[in-house]
Amino acid sequence: GEDVEQSLFLSVREGDSSVINCTYTDSSSTYLYWYKQEPGAGLQLLTYIFSNMDMKQDQRLTVLLNKKDKHLSLRIADTQTGDSAIYFCARTGYSSASKIIFGSGTRLSIRP
Amino acid sequence: NAGVMQNPRHLVRRRGQEARLRCSPMKGHSHVYWYRQLPEEGLKFMVYLQKENIIDESGMPKERFSAEFPKEGPSILRIQQVVRGDSAAYFCASSPDLGGTNTGELFFGEGSRLTVL
Repeated sequence: GEDVEQSLFLSVREGDSSVINCTYTDSSSTYLYWYKQEPGAGLQLLTYIFSNMDMKQDQRLTVLLNKKDKHLSLRIADTQTGDSAIYFCARTGYSSASKIIFGSGTRLSIRP
Repeated sequence: NAGVMQNPRHLVRRRGQEARLRCSPMKGHSHVYWYRQLPEEGLKFMVYLQKENIIDESGMPKERFSAEFPKEGPSILRIQQVVRGDSAAYFCASSPDLGGTNTGELFFGEGSRLTVL
């Protein structure tokens, strides 16, 4: 199947860590991605992970991939107000030549 | 290096009219994707094109919608006889030619927001 599922909303306190979760059904995905969409704008790639990796860290971002459970997560350390956005999980198909399928997006809001 | 350019950014049409949305990919990119984002919903894949070829149109509605990416000029998403349910943001994305190091990253335009009255 093509389903990529995410919860729709997440609210965290400024300075705390945010964890955004995603599940997918197609185990043939080569790459999995996290994109960020700020209000009124297009999507920008935040980070990606190759399917043979378990973890990837990039400054405040940590991506965890559990292939057995088909679960992907994005952790944002020390969440700031500028992190407020919609975060989309996405995956490729059997090769990078396939269409990229997006989840519904998780809207992250930051409270003081 | 200019990014993905979409126009118009905003388009208002009455029911029954036609909407044409244009997308110029990043320089050097020959793959174009169209996605639709409905209010409070995620991004739904519509169509994937290369120059003069439709690679995957599995997300395109069977009627009224068409897309092209000619040898010269931008990619165009065309919606005939628009209905209120077509109101959405339409995003175009491009990617470079496939190669050993290509991670499949998509570069998005800022979207075209269609409102059907």
